[in-house]
Amino acid sequence: QSALTQPASVSGSPGQSVTVSCSGGSSDIGSYNLVSWYQQYPGKVPKLIIYEVAKRPSGVSDRFSGSKTGNTASLTISGLQAVDEADYYCCSYADDTTPMVFGGGTKLTVL
Amino acid sequence: EVQLAESGGGLVKPGESLRLSCEGSGFTFGTTWMSWVRQAPGKGLEWLGRAKSRIDGWATEYAAPVKGRFTISRDDSKNTLYLHMSSLKAEDTAMYYCTTEGWRAYYFDSWGQGALVTVSS
Repeated sequence: QSALTQPASVSGSPGQSVTVSCSGGSSDIGSYNLVSWYQQYPGKVPKLIIYEVAKRPSGVSDRFSGSKTGNTASLTISGLQAVDEADYYCCSYADDTTPMVFGGGTKLTVL
Repeated sequence: EVQLAESGGGLVKPGESLRLSCEGSGFTFGTTWMSWVRQAPGKGLEWLGRAKSRIDGWATEYAAPVKGRFTISRDDSKNTLYLHMSSLKAEDTAMYYCTTEGWRAYYFDSWGQGALVTVSS
């Protein structure tokens, strides 16, 4: 069982916005602005798309945005495109026996 | 361009040991924290541990489920990160990725292509 909780799947139509949630606790998301998000296509290597809650690496589309409220982080993808169909994983630093924890992943389907 | 090349994967029997290597190039290896992340077939990502840089005493940290069984080390003279895995189990079957973390970055900005480890009798 993952330390961070994500919905197994989300979906949206082209042009819409979708939000993927990532729920943690006071020892991880709630206490540190060290949440990152990764995009992974089937059979491919994960790619960093958001770090430190809301920062985007160079080259990542501004359609991807991150935020955090309390113990929950969110990834919002605006102007959905077919190319966004992938798995998305959140990750956070944790002041715990396992210092870095991932969510279970969310499969995004573009209808 | 950052490049990470894992090697050493393969088929091993339960109870055996295996060492993976990850050679980095295109960045200053010696000042970069390095991590191992794995992904079992059809499953999500799992952080295994990290090797910090010289300025942090080359300290290592591990995920609780693998602590004591997996050992991470680095040779900065060879720009290489290692993952030594012992007492392997079927549930250790996965793709093992080497990643960079920058310095005290707490995120994984570059990933290797992965090394597949299969544990089966």
